[in-house]
Amino acid sequence: AQTVTQSQPEMSVQEAETVTLSCTYDTSESDYYLFWYKQPPSRQMILVIRQEAYKQQNATENRFSVNFQKAAKSFSLKISDSQLGDAAMYFCAYNTDKLIFGTGTRLQVFP
Amino acid sequence: NAGVTQTPKFRILKIGQSMTLQCTQDMNHNYMYWYRQDPGMGLKLIYYSVGAGITDKGEVPNGYNVSRSTTEDFPLRLELAAPSQTSVYFCASSYSRVANTGELFFGEGSRLTVL
Repeated sequence: AQTVTQSQPEMSVQEAETVTLSCTYDTSESDYYLFWYKQPPSRQMILVIRQEAYKQQNATENRFSVNFQKAAKSFSLKISDSQLGDAAMYFCAYNTDKLIFGTGTRLQVFP
Repeated sequence: NAGVTQTPKFRILKIGQSMTLQCTQDMNHNYMYWYRQDPGMGLKLIYYSVGAGITDKGEVPNGYNVSRSTTEDFPLRLELAAPSQTSVYFCASSYSRVANTGELFFGEGSRLTVL
């Protein structure tokens, strides 16, 4: 069975600093997608970034980038130049047919 | 740009009552999903549908039923509500298999409390 593990229930970062959120997953598939979703207090689920497993290059979206290590089944999210608006729950997710979520990491951003 | 619309946003039920959470999307997406999110947890898949007339169970289907009579609508029915069904429910849709496109579009969630 596919599983997604986020081992950091909470993280904090100072404004303008960089923070990395960890995610590992377990699968026997070779072709899949990985995602990071952001959930602010409004509860809305917002796609932050996605990575296709067959692509070697790490995905980047503005201040957000990933470190994708396929052999290690690791998919961490790096947030650079953190902003107060980045404070939220962050969920790592894996899919083939269905999206499977980790338990989330609550990120606090301090001014 | 309505996207995915869920109603109601909040509901309190008594144990044993039944209700339907409505979900509609205007993006002509074939794939629709229902998730639940318990406090401090990630989302768990209840049911999903790959097109009108087709539904399938997810990770936690017990106590729920769904139907998909049209492309736009995917209601979730709770029969005999139990306190364990207290949660936030999210409906989502995607154009094709998530494996192909990689993105779900979520509704704003429905908070259900069973007392």
